Amino acid sequence: QKEVEQNSGPLSVPEGAIASLNCTYSDRGSQSFFWYRQYSGKSPELIMFIYSNGDKEDGRFTAQLNKASQYVSLLIRDSQPSDSATYLCAVIAGNQFYFGTGTSLTVIP
Amino acid sequence: DVKVTQSSRYLVKRTGEKVFLECVQDMDHENMFWYRQDPGLGLRLIYFSYDVKMKEKGDIPEGYSVSREKKERFSLILESASTNQTSMYLCASKPAGTEETQYFGPGTRLLVL
Repeated sequence: QKEVEQNSGPLSVPEGAIASLNCTYSDRGSQSFFWYRQYSGKSPELIMFIYSNGDKEDGRFTAQLNKASQYVSLLIRDSQPSDSATYLCAVIAGNQFYFGTGTSLTVIP
Repeated sequence: DVKVTQSSRYLVKRTGEKVFLECVQDMDHENMFWYRQDPGLGLRLIYFSYDVKMKEKGDIPEGYSVSREKKERFSLILESASTNQTSMYLCASKPAGTEETQYFGPGTRLLVL
């Protein structure tokens, strides 16, 4: 079982809709959770991090963490075509960083 | 702003050549990482280093070696390049601490012919 699992997609949403991206992880001791955005041909860039159960909002982005169910999600409100990218979930467990394989998101104008 | 730079954006090498990829960070980070990224496989950790002259194998170290002689510089070496090492190589650095994120360099797209 992989440490971090993501649905590879592709996920398509119309412009202005809410995009919902999900990630599950296997290590209950995981401490920190990150969402990265990666445009085609570019390197990943951090967009959100979350450490505590519940929601964390930053502009149009909301990260949700549920440690009991071992999932973390990212909601993108008012999706824009510029949000079209691959979104990587990452988890720190112990002293190791684990990445999911990413979910491809396309926002259709 | 954290800056992580990589020596080349694109590189073309021949099978059997020795290849050096360099990564430099300017934020005094303790930890540095080398990944390769291939379609459908995500980011795979090759090696990481948590201090000068220290290195740890990641998930796919075979065919690679690393060097960290100075804190800011982490080099990835392909001893004898093979076609299956054609990939995007990403370097990252992070401060020590479990709550700190990684910062990525721009990547090197390597083609081995």
